Amino acid sequence: AIQMTQSPSSLSASVGDRVTITCRASQGIRNDLGWYQQKPGKAPKLLIYAASSLQSGVPSRFSGSGSGTDFTLTISSLQPEDFATYYCLQDYNYPLTFGQGTKVEIK
Amino acid sequence: QLQLQESGPGLVKPSETLSLTCTVSGGSISSSSYYWGWIRQPPGKGLEWIGSIYYSGSTYYNPSLKSRVTISVDTSKNQFSLKLSSVTAADTAVYYCARFVIVALSGAFDIWGQGTMVTVSS
Repeated sequence: AIQMTQSPSSLSASVGDRVTITCRASQGIRNDLGWYQQKPGKAPKLLIYAASSLQSGVPSRFSGSGSGTDFTLTISSLQPEDFATYYCLQDYNYPLTFGQGTKVEIK
Repeated sequence: QLQLQESGPGLVKPSETLSLTCTVSGGSISSSSYYWGWIRQPPGKGLEWIGSIYYSGSTYYNPSLKSRVTISVDTSKNQFSLKLSSVTAADTAVYYCARFVIVALSGAFDIWGQGTMVTVSS
């Protein structure tokens, strides 16, 4: 199975900060990667698919980049509603595998 | 607007079988553009993909659970189901059903159910 390693596991940031989260795959996965946001007690929400495509309705401050093994989720200007846990998911092959998550907390 | 809703017992005894159903409303489960999946999340932990099914019945399972998992689809009821046998406390989790959309050569879980908590305890 492909292992997805996210970093950092948690971070503290302030409103307005630029935040970057990284996901590294144990082997090349083309651009078959999505990013999800999860708030406490809620289901995950799709933000980015195919590594860099913004899901409909998601604010443009979210962006994704990368291909192969290294991927990045960037929040250009952190907003209060962005404090949550973020997960990457590879869909290159089965079994689908998630990263361990990155918790974004208020500084 | 398509919605997914999980249903099933919230408490299951150890060694028994966990059974959940996901009802799809506002759209057809029999679309060639989608797979349908189950994902779980133990309390305070991360997400784990359990398996996925196509409306034709083709299934894909996580090898870590494969010997205990069965996912099935009932297109007449617009539902798909999860059975997990021989459960232990380690199977205690929130279980989500979700739609997996194929976009270009990639895909993503774009619509999720609200999740249902299942506790394994005697």
